[in-house]
Amino acid sequence: DIVMTQTPSSQAVSAGEKVTMSCKSSQSLLYNENKKNYLAWYQQKPGQSPKLLIYWASTRESGVPDRFIGSGSGTDFTLTISSVQAEDLAVYYCQQYYNLWTFGGGTKLELK
Amino acid sequence: QVQLKESGPGLVQPSQTLSLTCTVSGFSLTSNSVHWVRQPPGKGLEWVGAIWSGGSTDYNSALKSRLSISRDTSKSQVFLKMNSLQTEDTAIYFCTKGPRWGQGVMVTVSS
Repeated sequence: DIVMTQTPSSQAVSAGEKVTMSCKSSQSLLYNENKKNYLAWYQQKPGQSPKLLIYWASTRESGVPDRFIGSGSGTDFTLTISSVQAEDLAVYYCQQYYNLWTFGGGTKLELK
Repeated sequence: QVQLKESGPGLVQPSQTLSLTCTVSGFSLTSNSVHWVRQPPGKGLEWVGAIWSGGSTDYNSALKSRLSISRDTSKSQVFLKMNSLQTEDTAIYFCTKGPRWGQGVMVTVSS
């Protein structure tokens, strides 16, 4: 099974701040045949279902603001929020879909 | 548009079997996979299993011995059955087709 590790588990932020969070996988998520990384990022707010933000490690889902930026390849990935807004306070999960599905433990963004 | 909705009992007794239904619309089960994901209260997301477009299934290795996922394509429904339930199976159970998720159903295992 592929293990996904997210750091930090929580982060206190101020509005307008740039935020980065990390996701590491126990094996490469890069499929050489198509050069795609099978990695997604989800946002979950209290009482809501997860919302897909990013897939293929760096492709934003339709309607997702461009302040959300996914990067990385292989086993190391990053989600960056270029200027955090109040509505971005949530838990963020990375997910691999290279071999079945596995989720990371999540990074919770809180207000400083 | 694509929609998924979970239904099932809110309360299950320990050692009993959980049966959940995911009713979908806006897409065909014969062309798309549906996954089940669960989330214990205050904790993270755990992939439970999936049924693929061809009807084959895959399960979380930690749950495999207790789990069965099936479907009725004529009714656009996917079913999850999990036996020998314990308190640690208390969670919100979601069905999802990639970007689209159901609202989830809370299942409490308690006597």
